[in-house]
Order: sequence, then C-alpha cells, then structure tokens
Amino acid sequence: GQNIDQPTEMTATEGAIVQINCTYQTSGFNGLFWYQQHAGEAPTFLSYNVLDGLEEKGRFSSFLSRSKGYSYLLLKELQMKDSASYLCAVRVLQGYSNYQLIWGAGTKLIIKP
Amino acid sequence: DAGITQSPRHKVTETGTPVTLRCHQTENHRYMYWYRQDPGHGLRLIHYSYGVKDTDKGEVSDGYSVSRSKTEDFLLTLESATSSQTSVYFCAISPLAGGGRISPLHFGNGTRLTVT
Repeated sequence: GQNIDQPTEMTATEGAIVQINCTYQTSGFNGLFWYQQHAGEAPTFLSYNVLDGLEEKGRFSSFLSRSKGYSYLLLKELQMKDSASYLCAVRVLQGYSNYQLIWGAGTKLIIKP
Repeated sequence: DAGITQSPRHKVTETGTPVTLRCHQTENHRYMYWYRQDPGHGLRLIHYSYGVKDTDKGEVSDGYSVSRSKTEDFLLTLESATSSQTSVYFCAISPLAGGGRISPLHFGNGTRLTVT
C-alpha cells in the first residue's frame, strides 16, 4: 500500500532551527511536496523535490532521498508565524498517466517564545 | 488566492438532507479536486475531475457525487448527509495532474460542514 509517516506534533523555540521528517512507502514515486497550513486556513505550497538533494528557499529548505524514501523540511530562524501544520505529500504515477497525491497526516509545529 | 472560491464557507445541516458544495475557479485549470480533512488524517481525496464531464473517484467517494458541466465549476453533492460526513472540505486546482513545481495544487479556503 501507499503510506506516508510524519511526527504528529513538534515544539521549537523562536529563533531556533527545526527539522520535520517525512518517510514514505509508495510505488510510482514522481515528486514530493511540502505544504504549510495555518489553523483554519487552506494549505499553501512550500516546496517540491523530485531529485535527491537539498532545495533552499529563504528560511526554508527541503531535502529528498529517494533511495531511503525520506524527506525533511528544515525551518531556520523560527518565527511565531511559523506555528502551523506542515503537510508532506507524494506524487505517484498509477498506471500509464494517472498521477495522484498521497498525503501525510501533517505535523503540527508549535513555536514558543 | 489563485482564483478559487468555495461556497458556502460554513454549513450546518441535518442527517438525511442533500447538500451541495461549490468550487469555482477563474484560472481555467484542467484538474479540480475535492478533499476532506479530518483530525488525525491526511487530506483524503473524494473525487477529482480532469476536464468538463470527466470525473473519477478518489479513496473516500462513497456517499458523494460530483459534477463538472463547465471548466470553472466543480460541484460536490452529499445525496443524504450523515454525521460521518462532518468535516472540512477543500477544493483544489492545478493545470497539471497532481501538481508540480511550477503548478502546485492551489486550495480554496474550505467549507466547514456539520451534519447534526
């Protein structure tokens, strides 16, 4: 079956660095997304990895290892506004041309002053 | 917000009544999705559309139907609402199946549905 695992909740301190892990067991891997979702709001796109390695975008970086079925989202210089849920999603190819997204349950990140 | 709106934003309805949720986009994107989001679960796909009158089931389609008669509108209908369908419903759009770097899924603001 297709499965994605993320920690349910994490706590970090303002100004610090936090790493949110995502492990996946899927077939037909075709890319991995990270989305941010503030409470009561819609998910918004953060990053996309399809090749192994690190992608940096400002304070946020995302890493992918396809051989290990592993990704992480790294948040630096944490701000209170980073308190949100972070969703990991894997794009998979099912059959000839049917692309679907498999979603993790999300990691709730709590930032403390 | 990528030109996507959902209506209504909130709805309370009684068990057994029909309910229709609307998703409207102004981006002319081919792919439209309906998800539900519940505590402890990831986003779960209900139905999706890959063009006008072209729809398919997702992993939790039982009790739901959809229609897409125009590119811009994707309707989700609960024929006879049950308490287990109390949830937050999100519509999403993309020009690319499953999204990509340049064209990730963009989500509407959600509809909070309560079935009493």
